[in-house]
Parts: sequence; C-alpha cells; structure tokens
Amino acid sequence: EVQLVQSGAEVKKPGESLKISCKGSGYSFTSYWIGWVRQMPGKGLEWMGIIYPGDSDTRYSPSFQGQVTISADKSISTAYLQWSSLKASDTAMYYCARDPKLTTGFDYWGQGTLVTVSS
Amino acid sequence: QSVLTQPPSVSGAPGQRVTISCTGSSSNIGAGYDVHWYQQLPGTAPKLLIYGNSNRPSGVPDRFSGSKSGTSASLAITGLQAEDEADYYCQSYDSSLSGLFGTGTKVTVL
Repeated sequence: EVQLVQSGAEVKKPGESLKISCKGSGYSFTSYWIGWVRQMPGKGLEWMGIIYPGDSDTRYSPSFQGQVTISADKSISTAYLQWSSLKASDTAMYYCARDPKLTTGFDYWGQGTLVTVSS
Repeated sequence: QSVLTQPPSVSGAPGQRVTISCTGSSSNIGAGYDVHWYQQLPGTAPKLLIYGNSNRPSGVPDRFSGSKSGTSASLAITGLQAEDEADYYCQSYDSSLSGLFGTGTKVTVL
C-alpha cells in the first residue's frame, strides 16, 4: 500500500528555522516525484515545488523560489521542506504528494503538517 | 505567475448535474499540459479525482467526468449527492514546468 506519512504539527516563533518531513512507503521512492503544497487557513491550494528523489532534480514555483528548500534522502525514502527563517505568513497546512511523471497529477497525498508561526 | 481561474461556488439539488470550469491561458492549459482535478472534503487532504484531463483513478465514481478544450477545462458531476459537497481544484503546469492550482470551487448540495 502506497503511503506518505508526514511529520507532526509544529509551533515556531518568527525567525526560527524548521524542517518538516514526508516518508514514502509501499513503492519505489526514487522513481516518483514528490511535491509540496501549501494551504493557508481558509484558502486554496498552492503548488510550492517538486523533487525527483532519484537524482534530486528540483523545481520551484516562482512564488516560493528562495523562500523554502526542498530536499530528499533516498536512503530513508524521505522528502523534506525547510525554512531558514520563518514568518507569521508561513502559518499553513503543508501537504506532500506523489506525482508519477511530473505533470501527471498528484495521485497520493500525505496527511498534512500544520505549521503555526507566532510570537 | 500564471493563474487558473475557477468559479468560487456552484450549487445544485441532489440528482442534478453541475459543472466547474477552469480557465487558463496559452502558457499553461493551452500549451498542451494536462489538467487534473482534486476533491477536498472538509478537514482532509485533497484526493485525485480526474487525471490527464478525463481519466478517473480506480474507485472514483463515474458520476465525475472531465474534459479539456483550448485554454480551459471542465469537471462535471452528474447525479449530485450530499457527499459531493466539498472544495474542488483543477491543476496544470506552465511552460516553465511549474505547477499551478486553480482558485478552487466550493460545491454546495442544496
């Protein structure tokens, strides 16, 4: 069974760093793209970026380029989304999701990680 | 950045047919990139409903159908049911291979 299991909710202060994770199982982790999607409270879905764990090829939305870093450790089938300096506006639910071939759509999703940034 | 525009809301009585439009441009949908549709029930992660413009993943009822023409796409729900009340999003890519989601549509079953 394909599963994407994300790390737990986080509460951080502005200016702090953070790395959240997404562990894949039940499939060949290195053969599928993993994307990250932001959903701010009460708002729609936003495509942040995507990584191919097989060779670490990474693409970012222009809106998120330079704001976050996407990485993956294929030895433990885990993708990451990280911030070096959080802002209150980063408060959101973050989902990881699998895309078989880039542009083919996200067929499996993680349960989401709620990130709250507040002083 | 490119935008995929959807109506904020649509509604229908049980059993009726509703459609949701997704309007893009020549740099995304019109450039030939496929459109995918997701259903998000309250408090849950999105679920893939339609991929590759018109294909249903296993387990998705055939009441849901998708189509694409030019710079737009549509999702149709026939025989609307109470459990279809949710938010729906289209998704595609642009010419820089950056993904795009639509603005989202809330479906209300009257």
